[in-house]
Amino acid sequence: DQQVKQNSPSLSVQEGRISILNCDYTNSMFDYFLWYKKYPAEGPTFLISISSIKDKNEDGRFTVFLNKSAKHLSLHIVPSQPGDSAVYFCAAKGGGADGLTFGKGTHLIIQP
Amino acid sequence: DGGITQSPKYLFRKEGQNVTLSCEQNLNHDAMYWYRQDPGQGLRLIYYSQIVNDFQKGDIAEGYSVSREKKESFPLTVTSAQKNPTAFYLCASSIDAGPRRPQHFGDGTRLSIL
Repeated sequence: DQQVKQNSPSLSVQEGRISILNCDYTNSMFDYFLWYKKYPAEGPTFLISISSIKDKNEDGRFTVFLNKSAKHLSLHIVPSQPGDSAVYFCAAKGGGADGLTFGKGTHLIIQP
Repeated sequence: DGGITQSPKYLFRKEGQNVTLSCEQNLNHDAMYWYRQDPGQGLRLIYYSQIVNDFQKGDIAEGYSVSREKKESFPLTVTSAQKNPTAFYLCASSIDAGPRRPQHFGDGTRLSIL
């Protein structure tokens, strides 16, 4: 029973265009959401986060949007660069002290 | 250079043996975590520790044990009771276990059964 879902296993985007990665969640207790980027055989790297009191957070080329009523968040990367090719994980956390709940990831491929 | 160090990067185990994975951080973080990743899957929480001498089971703790005797160290033991131990293991830490704290990860240990 997945509480965080990334329904697109892969996404191909042309260099310079916008990449949009989507994530849905089912647990209403989640109030903090994060995006991680992962290369093969390496640990995930934290990219950006958003708390449930906001609907948008921006950091350079990365913007995360949160739609609480739809239980949906998205990561926008503009413009997409070759180094952005990686697996992107969406993660969520409730108010407790335990760990993050991760989606299965989306493999983003940036084509020249 | 601050960070999280996991060792070894690759580890092989014979069936029936226990094996311990190392995780050390010099970020002065209170909270530490162990996750497991299987092919095509997200990360799943094994154990977490909010503070020294305290730890809690995560979603898939069966067949694993941990200790937290020092703030900077959180070793994970994969016991013979873990029926499917082959996986990529990731250690993480955060400044504390409070809400809205991003976790930062090491580069992982890949465990394989011979």
